[in-house]
Amino acid sequence: AQTVTQSQPEMSVQEAETVTLSCTYDTSENNYYLFWYKQPPSRQMILVIRQEAYKQQNATENRFSVNFQKAAKSFSLKISDSQLGDTAMYFCAFMKPVANAGNMLTFGGGTRLMVKP
Amino acid sequence: EPEVTQTPSHQVTQMGQEVILRCVPISNHLYFYWYRQILGQKVEFLVSFYNNEISEKSEIFDDQFSVERPDGSNFTLKIRSTKLEDSAMYFCASSGDPFSVLHFGNGTRLTVT
Repeated sequence: AQTVTQSQPEMSVQEAETVTLSCTYDTSENNYYLFWYKQPPSRQMILVIRQEAYKQQNATENRFSVNFQKAAKSFSLKISDSQLGDTAMYFCAFMKPVANAGNMLTFGGGTRLMVKP
Repeated sequence: EPEVTQTPSHQVTQMGQEVILRCVPISNHLYFYWYRQILGQKVEFLVSFYNNEISEKSEIFDDQFSVERPDGSNFTLKIRSTKLEDSAMYFCASSGDPFSVLHFGNGTRLTVT
């Protein structure tokens, strides 16, 4: 079974600064996907970024980028130029696709990020 | 952009009552899921549904839970006899194939009193 660990329960950052959220995972699989989801106070689950394990290039999405270290099983999220709207809970998630079953996500415990003005 | 819709947004029920949570997945998606998030805790997988049957389920998904796709558009989660510990946010999700992103609904907050 896969496990996902987020070692930072809470973090804060000043507006316009950069912050990095950590995530490690444990798996024996070679092909999988990793995600960061954002959950604002409304409790929606919003996809931030996705990384395929077979791709060496780190994914980027505007101000969001990841540092994917497959050998170390590490998947950190960097938020540049932090904005007040980035205040949310951030969940790291692991996915191993299974044909005819779907793509179940295993989530980490989350990091609560507060962006301060 | 198509989205997953869940109703109701908040459901309050008494312990021991049956409750049905409803979801309308994205119309061309084939895989459907329910996840649960107890307040302050991580999001947990409950069940996946493909080809009109359960394809995977977690230990949480015991005999008190059932899922159904009654009419080709709705996807429901039934809890037969609710317990206090069933109080949580329940998220429905759908995907087009095993390799694509899950699209989540906005969730139903279930409160069992």
